[in-house]
Amino acid sequence: AQTVTQSQPEMSVQEAETVTLSCTYDTSESDYYLFWYKQPPSRQMILVIRQEAYKQQNATENRFSVNFQKAAKSFSLKISDSQLGDAAMYFCAYRRYSGNTPLVFGKGTRLSVIA
Amino acid sequence: GAGVSQSPSNKVTEKGKDVELRCDPISGHTALYWYRQRLGQGLEFLIYFQGNSAPDKSGLPSDRFSAERTGESVSTLTIQRTQQEDSAVYLCASSSGQGTEKLFFGSGTQLSVL
Repeated sequence: AQTVTQSQPEMSVQEAETVTLSCTYDTSESDYYLFWYKQPPSRQMILVIRQEAYKQQNATENRFSVNFQKAAKSFSLKISDSQLGDAAMYFCAYRRYSGNTPLVFGKGTRLSVIA
Repeated sequence: GAGVSQSPSNKVTEKGKDVELRCDPISGHTALYWYRQRLGQGLEFLIYFQGNSAPDKSGLPSDRFSAERTGESVSTLTIQRTQQEDSAVYLCASSSGQGTEKLFFGSGTQLSVL
C-alpha cells in the first residue's frame, strides 16, 4: 500500500521569506500523481500544485514550486515570498496514475507565517 | 452549484444515535469521495463513487458506516450507533471522473459525539 509521510508537524516562516515543506512517499508504481493541498481554518481543501511522476520538470505555480526527486521518492514544496494568507495546514498527497483511485494523504504540516 | 456543498456544517450527537451527513457535488461530476479527518490528522479515505460502478468501500472503518449516492448527484454518509471515536470532520470531494483532474472539496461536517 502507498504511504505518504510528512515529517514536520509544524513549521514557521517570516513574512516575505522562503520555506520548504517536506514530503516522502512509498510506492511500487512507476506512474502516479503527487499533490500539495492547503487547508485553511475554513476546512476546505485547496489544491496548491500537482506533479505528474513521468514529468522530469518540477511543477511551479506562482510563488509555489516543488522539488520532485523520483528516485528518492521525495516531493517537497517551496513557498517563496511567504504571505500571511499562506498560514494553513499543508497536506502532501499521492494518487495512482491508473483509474480513479482515491488520494492518499500525509498527516500534514501546520505552517505559521510571522509578520 | 458553484462548489461542493456539505450539510450540516456542524453536528453534535449523543453516543449511540445515528447520523446522516449530506454531500452535494458539483453538477456533472461523476466521481465522489468521502474522507474522514480526525483532529490533527490527515485525511482518511472512506468510500468512493464513480458513475454507475459499484462503489469502492475499502476505507469504511466498520459496518456502522455506509454511504449511498443517487445517480451522479447527492450522496449521504450514514453512521449508525455513533461512538466517541467517530468524532471528526467528514469531508466530501467530487471530480469530473477523468482520472487526472483535481478534486474539489467541500468544507466538511464537524461531527461531535458526546
